[in-house]
Amino acid sequence: AQSVTQLGSHVSVSEGALVLLRCNYSSSVPPYLFWYVQYPNQGLQLLLKYTSAATLVKGINGFEAEFKKSETSFHLTKPSAHMSDAAEYFCAVSGSGGYQKVTFGTGTKLQVIP
Amino acid sequence: EPEVTQTPSHQVTQMGQEVILRCVPISNHLYFYWYRQILGQKVEFLVSFYNNEISEKSEIFDDQFSVERPDGSNFTLKIRSTKLEDSAMYFCASSIRDRVHEKLFFGSGTQLSVL
Repeated sequence: AQSVTQLGSHVSVSEGALVLLRCNYSSSVPPYLFWYVQYPNQGLQLLLKYTSAATLVKGINGFEAEFKKSETSFHLTKPSAHMSDAAEYFCAVSGSGGYQKVTFGTGTKLQVIP
Repeated sequence: EPEVTQTPSHQVTQMGQEVILRCVPISNHLYFYWYRQILGQKVEFLVSFYNNEISEKSEIFDDQFSVERPDGSNFTLKIRSTKLEDSAMYFCASSIRDRVHEKLFFGSGTQLSVL
């Protein structure tokens, strides 16, 4: 069984401040981990993924995430928030199989304050 | 970038009615999926579809649900007799191959409201 827990359903940051969205996972097999973003009225878009290569993963729009096995975490960060980053972010986990095994978290809504 | 298209964006129906949610996956993709998200809850896997048959389904995907690829472009999810608890955002997705390093493309979703 696998699951992810996202801490904080809503996060607010000031424009230019650090973005930190937390995700902890549970998996009985080596996990593959993902962050998806959903902008208003749009579909889910893959930001980045960890598939057992480098533990620090860089994604689109300046986001990155670090896989920490000892902490079972895969937190998403961005050094400086932009207004355009306001969206909902989903952490997801998969076993070493296909996409049909992807399990999503409940999502974190990011608000960026001017 | 290519897109997965879902119609309608909003669907309102009465309990017990049949609904069909439509999706047009990306044209060269071979694997198709439905996920759903009940308000305030997690995005949940429903079903995957390949080569004109279901390859995997979750426990949510009971006999009330069916999927079909009626022609070369559409991929549909049918709920035979809707229940209040079927109210959710339904996402269609597609990928070229069913491997985790392949990119999964999601549509913008259909918000289903069952009254």
